[in-house]
Amino acid sequence: DGGITQSPKYLFRKEGQNVTLSCEQNLNHDAMYWYRQDPGQGLRLIYYSQIVNDFQKGDIAEGYSVSREKKESFPLTVTSAQKNPTAFYLCASRNQELLSNQPQHFGDGTRLSIL
Amino acid sequence: KQEVTQIPAALSVPEGENLVLNCSFTDSAIYNLQWFRQDPGKGLTSLLLIQSSQREQTSGRLNASLDKSSGRSTLYIAASQPGDSATYLCAVREKGGSEKLVFGKGTKLTVNP
Repeated sequence: DGGITQSPKYLFRKEGQNVTLSCEQNLNHDAMYWYRQDPGQGLRLIYYSQIVNDFQKGDIAEGYSVSREKKESFPLTVTSAQKNPTAFYLCASRNQELLSNQPQHFGDGTRLSIL
Repeated sequence: KQEVTQIPAALSVPEGENLVLNCSFTDSAIYNLQWFRQDPGKGLTSLLLIQSSQREQTSGRLNASLDKSSGRSTLYIAASQPGDSATYLCAVREKGGSEKLVFGKGTKLTVNP
């Protein structure tokens, strides 16, 4: 089945450590997104990519980095500079080839906690 | 700056009741509005997408309306079931080159058997 796979489901980070969250999609979507969700809050955009080898900062990019070397993959690294990384991270993708009004599809998320 | 507000934050209803969830947004320059469902610890499932030129969309027991000029959308759920219990999020896609969806904080719905 086509979809978005995020791994791991749970991740723990030690102080000063960088961790990488994986996001893979087999929907052949050009655009991919990373969101952060905190309890009782709406989703906030971290980074997005509309094409391979290109990405843009979202609203809360500080302390995060991404790469887009393949169409299918958009990993997110939470660096030691992100002082409050505990949150639920969601990856999404969207088909941009047709009209602009295509919905975003989401993965099942990665919950990151500090040890 | 676009802001999306969802009221109420939580709602509890008996099974079989029809209900309405509300979403409002401050800037009417949008491409579309999307309603999502989120189960605890899970990602988002897209329920309905309304383009800016549309007034409503229907899928099964769900009906979403959009009044762009007043900055409002409603999600109507008919004959609610315990399986409808989840958090419902609305999001608008802004015009102007940004690919960003701006989300509300959601309405947590509990349908009691």
